[in-house]
Amino acid sequence: SAVISQKPSRDICQRGTSLTIQCQVDSQVTMMFWYRQQPGQSLTLIATANQGSEATYESGFVIDKFPISRPNLTFSTLTVSNMSPEDSSIYLCSVGVMGNTGELFFGEGSRLTVL
Amino acid sequence: GDSVTQMEGPVTLSEEAFLTINCTYTATGYPSLFWYVQYPGEGLQLLLKATKADDKGSNKGFEATYRKETTSFHLEKGSVQVSDSAVYFCALNNAGNMLTFGGGTRLMVKP
Repeated sequence: SAVISQKPSRDICQRGTSLTIQCQVDSQVTMMFWYRQQPGQSLTLIATANQGSEATYESGFVIDKFPISRPNLTFSTLTVSNMSPEDSSIYLCSVGVMGNTGELFFGEGSRLTVL
Repeated sequence: GDSVTQMEGPVTLSEEAFLTINCTYTATGYPSLFWYVQYPGEGLQLLLKATKADDKGSNKGFEATYRKETTSFHLEKGSVQVSDSAVYFCALNNAGNMLTFGGGTRLMVKP
């Protein structure tokens, strides 16, 4: 398994601002992902964070809106840019561990409210 | 593409009642199947998993059996407790790296 810490755990943001969420893992992992969970909804994959290269974004998500960094195998950031109330969601970092059977481990999530 | 369908909630039960949350999937090949639980205000925790047909995953009194013939992975518990109140997500991983989630089912257990 892996222990994942996310910061901030929650924040209230003003429209038009940007916020960066940090994800720290207690061990080196090859696979890191960012998910969004809109209020009362399921999880949607935003992107795969690739170490040392640009993230791979899912349909409907773009780098200008959700820039992602992954400088090493234990750390990643997700920025939510130029926020609007529609961006109010929980953003979750998740990791996959080599040798496991496909499950992912999740951080506690970062709950953003945009006013 | 792959997809997961869960019964819609909320599901409201009295304590000690029997629980079933239905989950069916569409996928090519032989995916691994998972149930995750999200308690209020928390992230997702892996509840149980099954990696091949007829496998039964179990944890904390919950069980689910991988049924390839019906493409199902229904979650069951014989006697629910108030502390089981949460949102439950069925998910699959189909030989890739990412999970595909169902819509989630909220369970409310009343004393």
